[in-house]
Amino acid sequence: RKEVEQDPGPFNVPEGATVAFNCTYSNSASQSFFWYRQDCRKEPKLLMSVYSSGNEDGRFTAQLNRASQYISLLIRDSKLSDSATYLCVVTQKGVLSGTYKYIFGTGTRLKVLA
Amino acid sequence: ETGVTQTPRHLVMGMTNKKSLKCEQHLGHNAMYWYKQSAKKPLELMFVYNFKEQTENNSVPSRFSPECPNSSHLFLHLHTLQPEDSALYLCASSQWGTTKQETQYFGPGTRLLVL
Repeated sequence: RKEVEQDPGPFNVPEGATVAFNCTYSNSASQSFFWYRQDCRKEPKLLMSVYSSGNEDGRFTAQLNRASQYISLLIRDSKLSDSATYLCVVTQKGVLSGTYKYIFGTGTRLKVLA
Repeated sequence: ETGVTQTPRHLVMGMTNKKSLKCEQHLGHNAMYWYKQSAKKPLELMFVYNFKEQTENNSVPSRFSPECPNSSHLFLHLHTLQPEDSALYLCASSQWGTTKQETQYFGPGTRLLVL
């Protein structure tokens, strides 16, 4: 089983639609959670951190369910510019004490259509 | 955005060449990372440095040799690479706290082609 699993998509949605992505992680000791966005041939960029209480940033809402070990991202009123790959990221403690590592999912590709 | 810079942006090399990738972060972070991103695969962590000390080596072949002279600079020395090493190599940095680590920031990457 992969440490972080995402549906690769693509999700093709019309402008204005609401779309949701899920991500599951296997290690219950995972500590921090993030959604990153990666445009074609560009580096990943932080979209938002994910907290247990849920958090919202404009049209984007992220939720964390520790009991079920999944993270979600909801995008409302999709724009053409939202077309990208969305990466789910969890952090875990590293092998050495006091160290950490980031585990990336393969990403979910979103295409917003005019 | 110039928080994390990488050079060169593109590199073509033969299997017998030796080259180096450079990364510099201007964010005052204490941890730096090398990742490899191949087509249709998730980012693969290669190396992690914290305060110049290597804390993670993810079973990377010895033809990749990292160097971290200080907390702002990270190099990846390449020699006798294989065509399957062609990929996007991303550098990132973050700040490690006492109980958790903060967001990673990525450089633009070096797109490497090995012939």
